[in-house]
Amino acid sequence: DAGVIQSPRHEVTEMGQEVTLRCKPISGHDYLFWYRQTMMRGLELLIYFNNNVPIDDSGMPEDRFSAKMPNASFSTLKIQPSEPRDSAVYFCASSSTGLGSYNEQFFGPGTRLTVL
Amino acid sequence: KQEVTQIPAALSVPEGENLVLNCSFTDSAIYNLQWFRQDPGKGLTSLLLIQSSQREQTSGRLNASLDKSSGRSTLYIAASQPGDSATYLCAVENLQGAQKLVFGQGTRLTINP
Repeated sequence: DAGVIQSPRHEVTEMGQEVTLRCKPISGHDYLFWYRQTMMRGLELLIYFNNNVPIDDSGMPEDRFSAKMPNASFSTLKIQPSEPRDSAVYFCASSSTGLGSYNEQFFGPGTRLTVL
Repeated sequence: KQEVTQIPAALSVPEGENLVLNCSFTDSAIYNLQWFRQDPGKGLTSLLLIQSSQREQTSGRLNASLDKSSGRSTLYIAASQPGDSATYLCAVENLQGAQKLVFGQGTRLTINP
């Protein structure tokens, strides 16, 4: 398997623009997570899905952030409108509850977002 | 609320030394603990996962231990190499956390040739 795939790897946009980040989890994994990493706050869980259904979005900072998972192989995280304080690295991760998996999470390479 | 702490924040050692990275957590009701490695500008790579019922896990030169009752885990790296330079993060999944990981801030490790 290619691992968790994220696109784009880098995104530079201007304040007020809409930003869409994409993630393809590892095939067969039933959990998908979106994290944000900054120097000040470290790694923060934003939202996670189980079998394409959002389970906990308590980490989503505000209504400008939304996430969807239309099918088992694709998820998006959207920021609209974007603000400079949204600049961070956004990671997607996936895991399996299958036998012997023990919920081990595997991370994608991340999307480095810069909002000017 | 579960809190995970990693001390020190940074560590620099000469090549060849054995070293220990520390991770502590406040709530012992955990399902598992994971150690990750993060290279600059890269994602996280899972190194070892210890289930709550286990005491340690080994992979190559890495050995992770877990003492749930005292809320501590250590990552032992034997015969360190410059390629081991990276940030190491530990994360715990609470028993009632439903897959959510709580991360420490990481230890930035530098191995000097």
